[in-house]
Amino acid sequence: SYELTQPPSVSVSPGQTARITCSGDALPKKYAYWYQQKSGQAPVLVIYEDSKRPSGIPERFSGSSSGTMATLTISGAQVEDEADYYCYSTDSSGNHRNVFGTGTKVTVL
Amino acid sequence: QVQLVQSGAEVKKPGASVKVSCKASGYTFTSYGISWVRQAPGQGLEWMGWISAYNGNTNYAQKLQGRVTMTTDTSTSTAYMELRSLRSDDTAVYYCAKDSGYGFDYWGQGTLVTVSS
Repeated sequence: SYELTQPPSVSVSPGQTARITCSGDALPKKYAYWYQQKSGQAPVLVIYEDSKRPSGIPERFSGSSSGTMATLTISGAQVEDEADYYCYSTDSSGNHRNVFGTGTKVTVL
Repeated sequence: QVQLVQSGAEVKKPGASVKVSCKASGYTFTSYGISWVRQAPGQGLEWMGWISAYNGNTNYAQKLQGRVTMTTDTSTSTAYMELRSLRSDDTAVYYCAKDSGYGFDYWGQGTLVTVSS
């Protein structure tokens, strides 16, 4: 089955830049999406189609994709950005097997 | 405003079935799909499947094929997810999400399903 691999954790000081990677074989052909999930809450879409930001999402969130890796960047991380982050994409088999990444806990302190 | 309101928590015995509802409002229900996502305690997100609210087409995660059925009732703008032959590892919070075609832009509040003897 298709897998998207993320680092388990990333730590950053307030105001610094956090980068979260997502590795998957189909990413050269398929878009990546990123979701933020704070403790006890439903996820929130922060990036779609690799690099587009939904309305209402702060500009400090950006996304990129190159080869088999997608990256979510939080520029000038804030304390309120502390959360779990998940990438999401689909495989390239044509069977639309969608999958979330393994998740990354971002700590801002 | 767009809202997805899910049914309440359930406790089920192993082998039983559960049906979770997700009532949509604030948008044209048949214009978008609904995806279902679950999260076991302390674990990550798992995509379960998708249903088109327009024509009822479905796409299920391979792991759940044969145990899950997703349906919609367009007269009430409600989506349903039924999971059968429940096991202890099906204990999770189940979410519905509006699939805009550009990601899951609105989510329900989640429904806790506990499977325990």
